[in-house]
Amino acid sequence: DAKTTQPPSMDCAEGRAANLPCNHSTISGNEYVYWYRQIHSQGPQYIIHGLKNNETNEMASLIITEDRKSSTLILPHATLRDTAVYYCIPTAGGSQGNLIFGKGTKLSVKP
Amino acid sequence: EAGVVQSPRYKIIEKKQPVAFWCNPISGHNTLYWYLQNLGQGPELLIRYENEEAVDDSQLPKDRFSAERLKGVDSTLKIQPAELGDSAVYLCASSNSGTGELFFGEGSRLTVL
Repeated sequence: DAKTTQPPSMDCAEGRAANLPCNHSTISGNEYVYWYRQIHSQGPQYIIHGLKNNETNEMASLIITEDRKSSTLILPHATLRDTAVYYCIPTAGGSQGNLIFGKGTKLSVKP
Repeated sequence: EAGVVQSPRYKIIEKKQPVAFWCNPISGHNTLYWYLQNLGQGPELLIRYENEEAVDDSQLPKDRFSAERLKGVDSTLKIQPAELGDSAVYLCASSNSGTGELFFGEGSRLTVL
């Protein structure tokens, strides 16, 4: 399983874009990059995933570098409810690989 | 659609006592996971089931932990006897096979005194 490096914490002003980086330089060719978040006292929640193309859904955008060694999760207009720990997880998924959580990035959205 | 349901939400026991946690996954999800989460850490996988078969239990401390998933639906995680270091949140998750999109329950918080 690929190792990841994420900043331990970040702050973001409410209404501004939050850009959360992740380094996964040892990612394998068959591994997707998954992002989850965990709001205090809740279970983790799936956000988005991608293989090599950029992805967007109703929650966020995912930008993956061409060499796939790093990615950035973008919350376009952060709200107070986006305050959470964000995890970047490379995995082949399903029966091919388990989700291995690191310590993630604690994002604090401030008014 | 109901999400992953776990119970109890909170449990306080004395050391050496047994404890059990129950999980009802999302209907139709044949993959079920139990994770352990210590304070300030990310979740750690304990066991993964594909239907009723435990396909990865390498991180489950088998001297005191056991799990079962009868009929490939609900699952129970048991600790006997509990130790002080078992105080943590126990998370259950489910998914469709072949995806990394897991749906987590709210977790069961265990405090061992």
